[in-house]
Amino acid sequence: GEDVEQSLFLSVREGDSSVINCTYTDSSSTYLYWYKQEPGAGLQLLTYIFSNMDMKQDQRLTVLLNKKDKHLSLRIADTQTGDSAIYFCAEGEGSQGNLIFGKGTKLSVKP
Amino acid sequence: DAMVIQNPRYQVTQFGKPVTLSCSQTLNHNVMYWYQQKSSQAPKLLFHYYDKDFNNEADTPDNFQSRRPNTSFCFLDIRSPGLGDAAMYLCATSRDRGGNQPQHFGDGTRLSIL
Repeated sequence: GEDVEQSLFLSVREGDSSVINCTYTDSSSTYLYWYKQEPGAGLQLLTYIFSNMDMKQDQRLTVLLNKKDKHLSLRIADTQTGDSAIYFCAEGEGSQGNLIFGKGTKLSVKP
Repeated sequence: DAMVIQNPRYQVTQFGKPVTLSCSQTLNHNVMYWYQQKSSQAPKLLFHYYDKDFNNEADTPDNFQSRRPNTSFCFLDIRSPGLGDAAMYLCATSRDRGGNQPQHFGDGTRLSIL
C-alpha cells in the first residue's frame, strides 16, 4: 500500500541549514509536495516537484528527489525562528488518487 | 487575495449536539475536501466534492456528512459529536481532482466537545 515516512523531530540553530527527509512507496506518484503547518493553523503549500525532476529551487527552499530510492528532501537555507513549524511531505498519484501525507516533521529553530 | 476561508476558527459544542462547520473559497476550484486532524497526526481525508459529485472515504463514520450548495461553499455536519470527534477540521480545494493537483488549505476550525 501507499505509505509516506518522515522523521518526527529536527532541531537546528538559527542561520544553519535544515534538511527534512521523506520516503514514499508508491512508484506511480507523479507529484510530491511539501506543506508547512504553524501552530493552530492550516497547511501552507510550500512547493512541489514533478516526479521527472531531480531538483527544484525556490528562494531559500531546495527540493531534491531521488526517484530510484523514493527519497525526497526539503532543504531550508539560513533557517530562521519563523521557520519553526511542522513540515508535511505528501505524495499524489496520477489523475484519480488523493494525497497521502506523512506524519510530519517538527522543526525547532534555536536562537 | 484568493483564498480558502473557514468559519468559525474555534467551535465548542456539547456531546451529542449537532454542529456545522463551514468553508468558502474564492479560487473557483472544482474540488473541495474535508480533513480531520488530531494532535501530532497527519490530516485524514473524510470526503471530497468534485463539483456536485460527493466522494466519501470508506472509513469515514456515518456521523459525518457534507453539503456543497454551490461552487464556493462547503459544509461539514457532525450529527452527534462524540468526545473522539474533538479535532482540527481542515478544508482544502484543488482546481481539479487527482494527486497531481496541489491542494490549498484554510486555517482550520478547532472543534471541542464538552
